[in-house]
Amino acid sequence: EAGVAQSPRYKIIEKRQSVAFWCNPISGHATLYWYQQILGQGPKLLIQFQNNGVVDDSQLPKDRFSAERLKGVDSTLKIQPAKLEDSAVYLCASSLMTVEYNEQFFGPGTRLTVL
Amino acid sequence: AQSVAQPEDQVNVAEGNPLTVKCTYSVSGNPYLFWYVQYPNRGLQFLLKYITGDNLVKGSYGFEAEFNKSQTSFHLKKPSALVSDSALYFCAVRSDGAGSYQLTFGKGTKLSVIP
Repeated sequence: EAGVAQSPRYKIIEKRQSVAFWCNPISGHATLYWYQQILGQGPKLLIQFQNNGVVDDSQLPKDRFSAERLKGVDSTLKIQPAKLEDSAVYLCASSLMTVEYNEQFFGPGTRLTVL
Repeated sequence: AQSVAQPEDQVNVAEGNPLTVKCTYSVSGNPYLFWYVQYPNRGLQFLLKYITGDNLVKGSYGFEAEFNKSQTSFHLKKPSALVSDSALYFCAVRSDGAGSYQLTFGKGTKLSVIP
């Protein structure tokens, strides 16, 4: 079974530029999550989708971050404009459905460096 | 607000010795508890979870964890450590519905197994 795919793996940009990350979840997984993991910290949820609808985006900085999952499969996360403090690893995860005890399967992440 | 504490930033153990990685949590309602492991440049991998029932949970790679409701703890254990167990370990908690549906992670504990 293929895992969660993410691209790119690494990205370096200047502050105020824009950047986009792509995620393809495990086939059949209805729920998709985007996390931000700052060095030395645990992952923090940015947004959660159930199919193509948003379940929770309470911690997404909506003035600069946006995410979509148009067909209920792939998802993109965008930052515009980027700030220095956005430097982090962005993890995508998926699970079968939004049930509290379902484990999440994580992709390898995209490491973003903002200069 | 729910939270997870991993009191040790790093745990060192000799190969063949038992290991323990500590985790305490705070959550409204009943907890669903998870352990994930992260190897360098890779995403998080699910190890085990506690939902209900037996307080001793067995997971992947010989790991187990003990749920203690009175101490609000969920320590990760392994009887005999391997060098290949060296990685970053994250404890996470989710509420059964009385609190936030978000999966909240601790800051992680770096485990180093010394040959």
